[in-house]
Amino acid sequence: GENVEQHPSTLSVQEGDSAVIKCTYSDSASNYFPWYKQELGKRPQLIIDIRSNVGEKKDQRIAVTLNKTAKHFSLHITETQPEDSAVYFCAASESGSQGNLIFGKGTKLSVKP
Amino acid sequence: DGGITQSPKYLFRKEGQNVTLSCEQNLNHDAMYWYRQDPGQGLRLIYYSQIVNDFQKGDIAEGYSVSREKKESFPLTVTSAQKNPTAFYLCASNRGRSYEQYFGPGTRLTVT
Repeated sequence: GENVEQHPSTLSVQEGDSAVIKCTYSDSASNYFPWYKQELGKRPQLIIDIRSNVGEKKDQRIAVTLNKTAKHFSLHITETQPEDSAVYFCAASESGSQGNLIFGKGTKLSVKP
Repeated sequence: DGGITQSPKYLFRKEGQNVTLSCEQNLNHDAMYWYRQDPGQGLRLIYYSQIVNDFQKGDIAEGYSVSREKKESFPLTVTSAQKNPTAFYLCASNRGRSYEQYFGPGTRLTVT
């Protein structure tokens, strides 16, 4: 089955710097890769997603890149702000009829003012 | 806030007691999911249902049970057979495979 590895587990940056979180997946047939942000004690919320027919997607300060050959995808946050502090999860869809999401273990991002 | 609700927000139980967590959605989604979240472990799938009256085990189904009698509802029962039930439980729903999953606010269960 699908396996998703996420790095780093913690990341600390200064306000205004960029942050990059990387994930690798094992199933070459996976075709959907969402990123979720979870603030302390709250529900995960989708911030950006990408499908396997696209190499890059951008939404304001957030971008995701996908390298299907290497089976990895990354989240890029530019001009970080204190409100970006949260835990970020990547996920990859399982191939097959169910298409369930397999999540990485999360990255705790801290943005210092 | 997304149309998916969970209750209660906090739940306390003694060991040996079964407990049922509620999940309701008004998004008209066919698929619903239950995840367990532990510190440093990410989200692990307990059970999922793609359609009413049908559900499948996820990666950590032992000690849990579910039902899907209505499209809107997918309750999770944590049984006394679950060896380490204290955790944050999240319910989610979506239109089907490879679509965004919407999460409920979660239930924090503490068993002592």
